[in-house]
Formats: sequence, structure tokens, C-alpha cells
Amino acid sequence: DIVMTQSPDSLAVSLGERATINCKSSQSVLYSSNNKNYLAWYQQKPGQPPKLLIYWASTRESGVPDRFSGSGSGTDFTLTISTLQAEDVAVYYCHQYYGARYSFGQGTKLEIK
Amino acid sequence: QVHLVQSGAEVKKPGASVRVSCKASGYTFTGHYMHWVRQAPGQGLEWMGWMNPDSGGTDYTENLQGRVIMTRDTSISTAYMELSSLRSDDTAVYYCARSGSADGYIDYWGQGTLVTVSS
Repeated sequence: DIVMTQSPDSLAVSLGERATINCKSSQSVLYSSNNKNYLAWYQQKPGQPPKLLIYWASTRESGVPDRFSGSGSGTDFTLTISTLQAEDVAVYYCHQYYGARYSFGQGTKLEIK
Repeated sequence: QVHLVQSGAEVKKPGASVRVSCKASGYTFTGHYMHWVRQAPGQGLEWMGWMNPDSGGTDYTENLQGRVIMTRDTSISTAYMELSSLRSDDTAVYYCARSGSADGYIDYWGQGTLVTVSS
């Protein structure tokens, strides 16, 4: 099974500054036949289910603010929040959906400095 | 509008079984795979498996094989997850979540069901 590893485990960023979260997969999640990376990002706030932010590694879900962006390919991926807002405090998870068995990263807790 | 509404919280004793339901609305139930994901208190997300509501086919994560069964009733657009031989470390919030297909990203989640295993 594919193991997803995020870094850092926690992150404190000042309001208005950039936040960057990394995710590495134990094997490539790039499907060569369609050139798509089977990688998504979710945001989870306390007491709520996860919310889809990004899919196919870089496609923003409808309604998600454009300060959220995803990048990367193969085994290395990044979620960037360009200018941190107070409502972005949450835990962020990367998720691979390559193959039949899915998996998630361990999560990155994002706080305000 | 897609909605996944789960059954209420459960308290079970070690060794017992639990069944959580997930009623889907706002889309064609048989057109989207249903996944189950759990989250232990203060911990991350653990993918448990998926079910194809059209065929009933399933695939489960290795460490739950033999203890988890995912089923559905297409007449009422409801998916079920049953977990048996419960242990204290099965205490978690259990989520149903749909994807577009077997290799599709998860886009909608249920509200979660807390299952507490305690003697």
C-alpha cells in the first residue's frame, strides 16, 4: 500500500504570510496513461468532516479561495496558502487515490503565529 | 445537492459489533463509490475501504480484513458499514464519503458517527 508522509507535523504562520505543507508518497501516484496525479488535499476543522480543497494535485475545488494552490508530481507534492487568513486554521491532509486502496497523510496542524 | 446523513452515536462493549448507516441523497446512489474513513480521537484519517453500490463489490484495507463488511440497500440509497470483534482502539468517528469511481477522489463526506468501545 502507498504510504503518505507530510511535513511538517505542525506549522505556525503569521496572518497574511505564506504557508507551505509538503506531502511525499512512497511510490508515484502519476498515472502515465492520462498524465494525472491521483493526489488530493483536504482541510479539517474541529468537529467537522474533511473538506475537499484540491484534486488531481492542482485543481481547485469549486468555491475554494484562490489563495489555496497545489503543485507537484510523481511522489512530491505541496499545498500552498498564499496569504494566511484566520479561518485557515485547521488540520490539512494529503490523500492518494491511485489504485484500489486509498491512504492519507498523517496531517499537518496549521496555526497562527 | 449532495447529502450523506449518518446514523447516531453508538456505545459498544469489547467483542461486540456495530453497524453504521449512511443515507445518500441529491445524486444517483449507484453511480458513485462509497468509502468509509475513520478517525480516532485526536488522530488522523484512516481509510477503511470502498463499496461499489451498483455491483456490491468491495475492497478493504488489509488490517481490517475479516472484521469489516460494507453493504448497501439500493432501494433506500443507504450504505452500511459493520465492524465486528470491537476493541478499544476501534473507538473513533466513522465517516462515509463518496467518490466518482474506484479511482476517483473523495468529494463529499457524511457528518460522522462516533463509535465508543468501552467495558
